[in-house]
Amino acid sequence: DAKTTQPNSMESNEEEPVHLPCNHSTISGTDYIHWYRQLPSQGPEYVIHGLTSNVNNRMASLAIAEDRKSSTLILHRATLRDAAVYYCILGNNAGNMLTFGGGTRLMVKP
Amino acid sequence: EAQVTQNPRYLITVTGKKLTVTCSQNMNHEYMSWYRQDPGLGLRQIYYSMNVEVTDKGDVPEGYKVSRKEKRNFPLILESPSPNQTSLYFCAIRRTGGADTQYFGPGTRLTVL
Repeated sequence: DAKTTQPNSMESNEEEPVHLPCNHSTISGTDYIHWYRQLPSQGPEYVIHGLTSNVNNRMASLAIAEDRKSSTLILHRATLRDAAVYYCILGNNAGNMLTFGGGTRLMVKP
Repeated sequence: EAQVTQNPRYLITVTGKKLTVTCSQNMNHEYMSWYRQDPGLGLRQIYYSMNVEVTDKGDVPEGYKVSRKEKRNFPLILESPSPNQTSLYFCAIRRTGGADTQYFGPGTRLTVL
């Protein structure tokens, strides 16, 4: 099964951009790349997803490497409310979501 | 708005006493799933269901059972709970397909003494 690898933690200053990396070197051609985040005491929530092209939404941007073996979640201006654990996971066309890894704990300093 | 309801939200029980955690959805989504979350281990999938009467094991199914008799409900059953099943449990739903967004419930914190 394709897995993802993320740094355990990252720090950022408030109002600065944050780039959260994810490696998925064994991704298959039909796997979508999803990002979720989990705020303290809450269930995970959807952030963004993509297949091959870079994606933007109101929360974040997703940059996908040309070979699709890595991706980067970009928060353009981190706020204190963005402090959370960010998970990069893969969703395949068989329907199941592959395993969540440990995620990256993002700390935002005022 | 997608709504995933879990009950109970908190439960303290004793070893061996059968329990069921319910999960229901209002979206008519085919896919439902159970995860457990433990410190340092992230979210691990227990079981998932692609549709009514279709269930399959996730990464950590031992000690759990599920059923999917109707589309909106996906209960998690612990026939004989043990202390190592003390955890935070999340139910999730989505349409099938690799691109679809997954919606999570609020979580059930289970303690087995």
